[in-house]
Amino acid sequence: KNQVEQSPQSLIILEGKNCTLQCNYTVSPFSNLRWYKQDTGRGPVSLTIMTFSENTKSNGRYTATLDADTKQSSLHITASQLSDSASYICVVSAISFQKLVFGTGTRLLVSP
Amino acid sequence: SQTIHQWPATLVQPVGSPLSLECTVEGTSNPNLYWYRQAAGRGLQLLFYSVGIGQISSEVPQNLSASRPQDRQFILSSKKLLLSDSGFYLCAWSLTVNGYEQYFGPGTRLTVT
Repeated sequence: KNQVEQSPQSLIILEGKNCTLQCNYTVSPFSNLRWYKQDTGRGPVSLTIMTFSENTKSNGRYTATLDADTKQSSLHITASQLSDSASYICVVSAISFQKLVFGTGTRLLVSP
Repeated sequence: SQTIHQWPATLVQPVGSPLSLECTVEGTSNPNLYWYRQAAGRGLQLLFYSVGIGQISSEVPQNLSASRPQDRQFILSSKKLLLSDSGFYLCAWSLTVNGYEQYFGPGTRLTVT
C-alpha cells in the first residue's frame, strides 16, 4: 500500500533553534518527493522537490534530504523564525499513477 | 505568471443544500486540475482530477461531483450537502500529471450545519 508517514506529529521549538522533520514512505515506483509548507487556513506552498537521483536540496533556511534506498526524507529548518510556524507536508509521487500521496503533516510551532 | 483562484473563501451551508465551489487558473494553458479535501487534523485527500475539458476522474465515492466546463475552470458541486462534507477544500493545478509540482489555491473553508 502506498503510504507516507511523518514524524513528529507536532513540535514546539524556541525561536532561533534548528529542527528536523521526518518522512518515511512506501510509494513505489518512486518518482519524486516534495515538501510543502501550509500556513493555517491557506493552501500548501512548495518548499522543495527532489527526484530519485537527488539526495539534498536547499531553499533558504530549509534543507531537504532524500535517501531513496531507505525511503526516508527529512526537512531541516535552520535558525527558526516565528513565521516558520505552520504544517509541513511530505508528498510522494509514483511513476505509474497520476496522483500524489500526502503525509498528514507535522505541525510546527515556533515560540518566542 | 500563473495564479489560481478559489471562491468563496468561506461558506456555511445547511445540511441538504446544494454546493458549488469554483476554481480558475490564469497564465497557463491545458493545466491538470485537482480538487482536494483536508479534514481537521488530517492529510489532503484527492477527490477529483482532470487532464482536460470534460475529463473528470473520481478518486473516492462520495456525495460530490466535479466538472470542467472550460480549460482553466474547475467546479466542485453537490446536490445535497452532508455534515461529513465539512472541511477545507483545495484546488490545485500542474503542468503534467506527475513530474512537476502542484500549485495550490487559497482554499475554501466549508462548514455544513
